[in-house]
Amino acid sequence: QVQLVESGRGVAQPGTSLRLSCATSGFIFRKHAMHWVRQAPGKGLEWVALISDDGRNQHYPDSVKGRFTISRDTSKSVVYLQMNSLTFEDTAVYYCARRSDSSNAFDIWGQGTGVTVSS
Amino acid sequence: QSVLTQPPSVSAAPGQKVTISCSGSTSNIGNNFVSWYQQLPGTAPKLVIYDNSKRPSGIPDRFSASASGTSAFLGITGLQTGDEADYYCGTWDSSLSVWLFGGGTRLTVL
Repeated sequence: QVQLVESGRGVAQPGTSLRLSCATSGFIFRKHAMHWVRQAPGKGLEWVALISDDGRNQHYPDSVKGRFTISRDTSKSVVYLQMNSLTFEDTAVYYCARRSDSSNAFDIWGQGTGVTVSS
Repeated sequence: QSVLTQPPSVSAAPGQKVTISCSGSTSNIGNNFVSWYQQLPGTAPKLVIYDNSKRPSGIPDRFSASASGTSAFLGITGLQTGDEADYYCGTWDSSLSVWLFGGGTRLTVL
């Protein structure tokens, strides 16, 4: 079945780096753009990054641009989110989501992985 | 402050109907398809509407949606306690080249 499984270390200090992984299975990875979305405690969804199906294009909101980098490894069907210069405001549950191959919607979501930035 | 504006909360009795609005602008809702996501407490979001009004397989026809101009609407009929969740609209913004989510609407089934 189609599955997205996020992983990554849970706690980091301000100013440090962390890399999240999203292992995918059950679908043709190279046909789908992929996103990262986060949700701070008690808050709404915030889109964090998009990578195109071929990996050549990436987009970010201003809140993470220059600090976060999304990438993908087609040979492993994995999406990564490299997070640098972490701040307390980056504390959130991070979700990996698949973009539908026929619309712009996020049709499959992972279960999420928690990131806490704390000194 | 989200670019896409949703009411923070809506409520209705079981069996009734509720409508959730999502207001944006020409560069987002006005020119791109809207999708809607349901987030039950403690779980990941789930797609319930895509391309303004289409339902993924497995989503009951109690869920419907539309878009007109710079606004989109999600309707849920025959409300059930299991529909209690946060609902988010989302779309691409062509001017900003970013994906936008609304602030979310908490549905309470009284």
